[in-house]
Amino acid sequence: GAGVSQSPSNKVTEKGKDVELRCDPISGHTALYWYRQSLGQGLEFLIYFQGNSAPDKSGLPSDRFSAERTGGSVSTLTIQRTQQEDSAVYLCASSWGGSAQFFGPGTRLTVL
Amino acid sequence: EDQVTQSPEALRLQEGESSSLNCSYTVSGLRGLFWYRQDPGKGPEFLFTLYSAGEEKEKERLKATLTKKESFLHITAPKPEDSATYLCAVQPIMDSNYQLIWGAGTKLIIKP
Repeated sequence: GAGVSQSPSNKVTEKGKDVELRCDPISGHTALYWYRQSLGQGLEFLIYFQGNSAPDKSGLPSDRFSAERTGGSVSTLTIQRTQQEDSAVYLCASSWGGSAQFFGPGTRLTVL
Repeated sequence: EDQVTQSPEALRLQEGESSSLNCSYTVSGLRGLFWYRQDPGKGPEFLFTLYSAGEEKEKERLKATLTKKESFLHITAPKPEDSATYLCAVQPIMDSNYQLIWGAGTKLIIKP
């Protein structure tokens, strides 16, 4: 598996529940990005990790959203108290520094 | 303000009918410009990186070019399997921050 992997591929949850989305980047990539894509829309930046630097959280839409990256590798995006407007595809990408970003297949989140 | 605009929003072509997609950008300094292809239900797939005006990259029926204000993705004799949304993104020069500014995409439909 040389590519970016994400799990789960699909997640259905009830409004108010917490969800965790996982991303395994390409081995050796120093940068990791989370995006959100609503149906038929463009990519919305959420958060960016680069090496050991503090993450850029400027895209997180509310304090219900948080993310961490452990050991410079795997990342988890957590959404607390989910709302229906959180329904979207959540995409993770990784890159070596400023080189091209490579994307995972995404997690489709549906909040009922 | 850094900005990326793609046109047209959608393009329908007959199989074999060549055309071009446009990506206009405004950034204070360009580190790189990236083209991606996105199929429905999948993450974006990296196509090309361009770094300086006059640079060209080719892959099968696709050729990307770059000027100081815009990039074109030329599609020669397209086939139905080239149908997808094509995304353009620019990477401004921002110290060690490698975030991309994304366009909204051009949806390309090739009819057999």
